[in-house]
Order: sequence, then C-alpha cells, then structure tokens
Amino acid sequence: DTEVTQTPKHLVMGMTNKKSLKCEQHMGHRAMYWYKQKAKKPPELMFVYSYEKLSINESVPSRFSPECPNSSLLNLHLHALQPEDSALYLCASSQDGQEQFFGPGTRLTVL
Amino acid sequence: AQKITQTQPGMFVQEKEAVTLDCTYDTSDPSYGLFWYKQPSSGEMIFLIYQGSYDQQNATEGRYSLNFQKARKSANLVISASQLGDSAMYFCATSTIQGAQKLVFGQGTRLTINP
Repeated sequence: DTEVTQTPKHLVMGMTNKKSLKCEQHMGHRAMYWYKQKAKKPPELMFVYSYEKLSINESVPSRFSPECPNSSLLNLHLHALQPEDSALYLCASSQDGQEQFFGPGTRLTVL
Repeated sequence: AQKITQTQPGMFVQEKEAVTLDCTYDTSDPSYGLFWYKQPSSGEMIFLIYQGSYDQQNATEGRYSLNFQKARKSANLVISASQLGDSAMYFCATSTIQGAQKLVFGQGTRLTINP
C-alpha cells in the first residue's frame, strides 16, 4: 500500500464551527506532515510529527491543532477559523530522509 | 535557511518534444536533498524524482531526469518525449536529508503540452 488518504475531500465550515481533517498511511512511515496551499502558491509546511511526537510547528495559529493518535493517523482539528484559512490542506508521510508521499488534499472553505 | 528559485512561471511545449524546467537552490546545509513534484489540477502532489547532494550521478526515473550541477546550485528537471498528461504545475523543493524533513518549495512552473 503506497497511498496516503485524506478525508474529507471538500469541507465548508462557518467561523464558529469545529471540524477535523483526517490523514492515514499504511506504509510504515514514521514522519507525517501537514501543509497549507493557497491558490497559485506552493505548499507551506505547518506541522511535522516524527515518531508520533510533534517535532516542527511553523508558528501556526492555535485555531489549528494537530494530533497524531498513532503511527498511521494524523488529524488536524479546526476551530474558529477565518475566511483567509480557506485553502487546500495536504498531508504527507515519509521515512527518515526519504521523499514525502502526499495525499489528495482537503479543499477547505471557511464562510 | 533554504531557498528554491524557479524562474519560469509558465512553459508551452509541443507534444513529444523534450522540456527542461529550471531550478536553482540555496542552502547552508552540508547535506541536502532535491526533489521534483508534479501537481495536476486535481491537487495531489506527485513525487517525480530525487537527487541527494552527495550523489555522483544524475538521477533518472523513466522519462524524468535531473540535471544536477552542484557548483552552479542548479537542479533542472528534464522530461523527455512530453505527453499531454504532463500538463501540470511542477515544483522543485529542497530539504535536509536527516530525520523528518522540512520541504521548502519554489514558486512552481506551469507546464502546458500542446497537441
């Protein structure tokens, strides 16, 4: 299995809602990542988990809360988002020092 | 700090021609990796090819090859015999090669293959 899956594919939420994005991989990778990508821009790293521990937080606002329940799962909890948070959210995984494999992404719209 | 520069915002190529996408990089890391990803309009980032900074030979993967010139800090992607399905956004990226990586992407090049 060489696939990273993400759910949901699309999400529309209001500024007072709480929602979660989910990511799963079964490649035995020990590093997992969240990226945010605005239209016509490259992906920007948000968080990195290594061996289920948060190793990098790129000064992301606290309205985004990552969670790594086990080595195969990565969640991103969303609360009180702003319209400017609308973007494509990409999850990726990798072995140490190897290429990252990306999921198909969740297109988030905040109203 | 790491930085990737892709100077070609868009490229148009005839089907079956070869195409070179430019990438220059700047990094203070003694060991680093260089990556190319393809992003179709569907949004998924597809890994194409990897070059390690200490690799002596240029990487190749099928129709993709990476022209790595370390002294010039360039890592150009060459696609041979282009196909209509190659139309997409292409990102060059770099990272450290130890542990969990922090990928730093360039601004991307939008490649359009004309029939």
